[in-house]
Amino acid sequence: EAEVAQSPRYKITEKSQAVAFWCDPISGHATLYWYRQILGQGPELLVQFQDESVVDDSQLPKDRFSAERLKGVDSTLKIQPAELGDSAMYLCASSSPFTSGSYEQYFGPGTRLTVT
Amino acid sequence: ELKVEQNPLFLSMQEGKNYTIYCNYSTTSDRLYWYRQDPGKSLESLFVLLSNGAVKQEGRLMASLDTKARLSTLHITAAVHDLSATYFCAVDRGAGSYQLTFGKGTKLSVIP
Repeated sequence: EAEVAQSPRYKITEKSQAVAFWCDPISGHATLYWYRQILGQGPELLVQFQDESVVDDSQLPKDRFSAERLKGVDSTLKIQPAELGDSAMYLCASSSPFTSGSYEQYFGPGTRLTVT
Repeated sequence: ELKVEQNPLFLSMQEGKNYTIYCNYSTTSDRLYWYRQDPGKSLESLFVLLSNGAVKQEGRLMASLDTKARLSTLHITAAVHDLSATYFCAVDRGAGSYQLTFGKGTKLSVIP
């Protein structure tokens, strides 16, 4: 069964350092999402891509966060510099509502970030 | 702004009992999702509800949607320990965005 892949699964970094997360969506899924989930909370959308274009990054803290999906397939989320408050689970999800008519978002295993 | 509220946020129940989790949302939406999350794990899709009156069932879980009341319920029948997890509802923001707003989750503990 096709799955969303993410790496690394765990990342520990010191504050002020740069960190990057990678996501490979389910093949054929044109829509890709990055979410942040703080412990004890629901996921919050950071950025949404349709193919290689950003659809919505209104919740992305652009002074330190950046996201790209250059070829419309895999994606990278970067934080520079990391702050203590960035400690969270970063989840990637993909879907294909415009082609398959399926509205489901499929989530990857996530990257657990700890900033010390 | 779409707001999604779940209650209760914490639920401890005995095996064999029934209970319902409620999900209220503040603006019109035609799509509502239920996810399950085990500790330290990602989200597993349980149900996608696409229209008013939709009802879906899988094993001991049944979800329903009332778009007029802006309410969805997740009913648990004869709970077993394996159902212990956090359950999230999420609502599509609409207008073709396919973006989800999540509730805070309901942490369910089923006690033998």
